[in-house]
Amino acid sequence: GAVVSQHPSWVICKSGTSVKIECRSLDFQATTMFWYRQFPKQSLMLMATSNEGSKATYEQGVEKDKFLINHASLTLSTLTVTSAHPEDSSFYICSARSPRGMGYEQYFGPGTRLTVT
Amino acid sequence: DAKTTQPNSMESNEEEPVHLPCNHSTISGTDYIHWYRQLPSQGPEYVIHGLTSNVNNRMASLAIAEDRKSSTLILHRATLRDAAVYYCILRDVGGSRLTFGEGTQLTVNP
Repeated sequence: GAVVSQHPSWVICKSGTSVKIECRSLDFQATTMFWYRQFPKQSLMLMATSNEGSKATYEQGVEKDKFLINHASLTLSTLTVTSAHPEDSSFYICSARSPRGMGYEQYFGPGTRLTVT
Repeated sequence: DAKTTQPNSMESNEEEPVHLPCNHSTISGTDYIHWYRQLPSQGPEYVIHGLTSNVNNRMASLAIAEDRKSSTLILHRATLRDAAVYYCILRDVGGSRLTFGEGTQLTVNP
């Protein structure tokens, strides 16, 4: 159990375009989901916390108008990278927090590799 | 968030036990100790967590020092598939954030 999926697993887009990444909790409802970014040879950096039905909370230094997060249901959160630039190329990973009965643990998706050309 | 300190890298031989240390001297009484691992080009995978007592599951064991200022993740018989970056993270009982440090890169030699 506790599976989190992401789609797409990789995407290549041109500079200036927008890209949407989906994160789904497949077998549990997640009131809270998280988005991380990971550059090569570096650790995961939390970008934002997404709560179902409310606005996301962004970490310091993360542009909320550039990284749009929508958590419209208890099993789906989306991250849209708007007007992408090469420096946005990274590995984007989401996680979903399990409900109390499952210990509030975070389960991670497999990640989405974004390359902006 | 309380900070953890881990060695940058460790090596082990296949089928031997591995002890991955983590120091967390500023841990608070309500902090749980979590371990995740990340295989190359994958999202992190939950390994184990504990509060005060030692914990065992099918993947690993977690040994927590009596003063809780350090802990050790134990892989009883390392396999090549255990080669990954292992992260030791503290999470407050009421919180949900996970702050990832640099972790320990474990290399398993055949």
